[in-house]
Amino acid sequence: DSGVTQTPKHLITATGQRVTLRCSPRSGDLSVYWYQQSLDQGLQFLIQYYNGEERAKGNILERFSAQQFPDLHSELNLSSLELGDSALYFCASSPGRVKAGNTIYFGEGSWLTVV
Amino acid sequence: DQQVKQNSPSLSVQEGRISILNCDYTNSMFDYFLWYKKYPAEGPTFLISISSIKDKNEDGRFTVFLNKSAKHLSLHIVPSQPGDSAVYFCAAGPGGGADGLTFGKGTHLIIQP
Repeated sequence: DSGVTQTPKHLITATGQRVTLRCSPRSGDLSVYWYQQSLDQGLQFLIQYYNGEERAKGNILERFSAQQFPDLHSELNLSSLELGDSALYFCASSPGRVKAGNTIYFGEGSWLTVV
Repeated sequence: DQQVKQNSPSLSVQEGRISILNCDYTNSMFDYFLWYKKYPAEGPTFLISISSIKDKNEDGRFTVFLNKSAKHLSLHIVPSQPGDSAVYFCAAGPGGGADGLTFGKGTHLIIQP
């Protein structure tokens, strides 16, 4: 158990809909990361928050947004869903900046299927 | 533009032999490299890491080698065991950008009995 909790574990929704994925980081971790894993794409970095502020953006679509709340949990909002958004979405957390000696810890992921 | 590349999507190795997984990177600002292991329906779990000031790090059956001049790292597993069958992701960071990690696409390691 990594200590990172993601809900829901599985989600099936229709095209055009909107969903929210939730993440609780490990206790004490200030950084939260969102990654997307599609069939052929490995782990694609979407966005990072640090202590409530957006820290970095990766390959995140404009239809997607995220936020980190004062209690440090984070939500990833996916709207106007398309079939191609079907993927495994991972949340990860770390105490702060990744540097030698520490790492980021992943949750078990949220499986999103768009039909 | 993929900054971390794992060119072998899959690798099959006999139980007891050595498994060698390779990874190349392009961003010279990366100063920390990690390997993650992922089983189906689970999140990636940290396996081993190496700082750019070292060229080798060993942890039990797992050894990671770093060749900075070639921008190449490899993970050696010896001896390979059936439980090692998983997808292995190479990751690098921080790279001067996000605080997080940049991942390769993964190599599916299959250990044959």
